[in-house]
Amino acid sequence: DILMTQTPLSLSVTPGQPASISCKSSQSLLESDGKTYLYWFLQKPGQSPQLLIQEVSKRFSGVPERFSGSGSVTDFTLKISRVEAEDVGVYYCMQTIQLPLTFGGGTRVE
Amino acid sequence: QVQLQESGPGLVKPSETLSLTCFVSGVSVSSYCWSWVRQPAGRGLEWIGRVCTSGGTYYNASLKSRVTMSVDTSKNQLSLTVSSVTAADTAVYYCARLVAGHWGQGTLVTVSS
Repeated sequence: DILMTQTPLSLSVTPGQPASISCKSSQSLLESDGKTYLYWFLQKPGQSPQLLIQEVSKRFSGVPERFSGSGSVTDFTLKISRVEAEDVGVYYCMQTIQLPLTFGGGTRVE
Repeated sequence: QVQLQESGPGLVKPSETLSLTCFVSGVSVSSYCWSWVRQPAGRGLEWIGRVCTSGGTYYNASLKSRVTMSVDTSKNQLSLTVSSVTAADTAVYYCARLVAGHWGQGTLVTVSS
């Protein structure tokens, strides 16, 4: 199974300041089709997870521009340019290149 | 607008079988593969497996011997069963099409006598 490791475990951020979360995979997420199958989700308190980023860097519909994803192969980063109060919750990365699908352990942003 | 809605008993006794359904609206279940994910209280997300009308099923090895997933195209719904449950199966269970950002609201299943 592909192990997804997120750091840090938690992050305390002042509104208006940037935040960055790292996700590392134990195997390459780059497929022969040229796509990299890494996704980011945010789970706000009491809610289902919501999709933020598809395939490393594609913002999902309706996701604010302050969220950006980057990285390649095994190392990935989610950045929030200016954190807002509504961004609190737990962020998860997930790989879909290989079954079983696997999630990172989560990063709590508060 | 795609919507997913899980349903099932909130309480299951140890050693019995947990059965959940997920009604899907806004898209045909035949068109895609669908996942089940669970989340114990205060913990992270665990992918249970997926079911595809065309491509069969794949179950996470951690639950493989106890899990069955299926699709009912006539009702446009998914089903999940987990047999021989223990307290460790207590969690919120979600159905989802993960890569498209479609999640149900989740249903809490508690295993207790």
